Amino acid sequence: SQQGEEDPQALSIQEGENATMNCSYKTSINNLQWYRQNSGRGLVHLILIRSNEREKHSGRLRVTLDTSKKSSSLLITASRAADTASYFCAFNAGNNRKLIWGLGTSLAVNP
Amino acid sequence: SAVISQKPSRDICQRGTSLTIQCQVDSQVTMMFWYRQQPGQSLTLIATANQGSEATYESGFVIDKFPISRPNLTFSTLTVSNMSPEDSSIYLCSVGENYGYTFGSGTRLTVV
Repeated sequence: SQQGEEDPQALSIQEGENATMNCSYKTSINNLQWYRQNSGRGLVHLILIRSNEREKHSGRLRVTLDTSKKSSSLLITASRAADTASYFCAFNAGNNRKLIWGLGTSLAVNP
Repeated sequence: SAVISQKPSRDICQRGTSLTIQCQVDSQVTMMFWYRQQPGQSLTLIATANQGSEATYESGFVIDKFPISRPNLTFSTLTVSNMSPEDSSIYLCSVGENYGYTFGSGTRLTVV
């Protein structure tokens, strides 16, 4: 299946700690994106990394992409209780504008 | 970035009835996407809605069950028809932009 796979499925950490989530995929991609979803609401776009990029930063977020291993990671540094949410990776492949989604990681940041 | 207004935000419906979900975008967009997200699951694409043509449905989704309208470049509706409890999900619309995709706030549907 083309679906992305994420690990861990669930992650529980203390405030101030770093959280790392991983996404793997099986096809060639144009870009890979990370989204956050709070409590089953709409998704918020966090960051997009293109296939020719290896690392990207946005505030406390750091995303890496290794196309040789077909994997990406999302690092949230100095986590806060407000970071508690589900995080999904998604990617575009070929000429298709459809997004292929990972299964998500549920992050709980405990105060 | 685009702003999407999606409504209703939630509804509880009787089985056998239909619900229409609306998404209004504050800018013109070529393609709009409709997703279903079952409890605790990832997103599943239902269909892609293009203005001026019929929507393109993904495997497992049919027009009779999920009719879609796209009357102009800023608006689309998804109808969930003849609902059963299995249709209880969050339904989301989305538009693509250069930096990523923007989502509506979702419609949480419960069918009783």
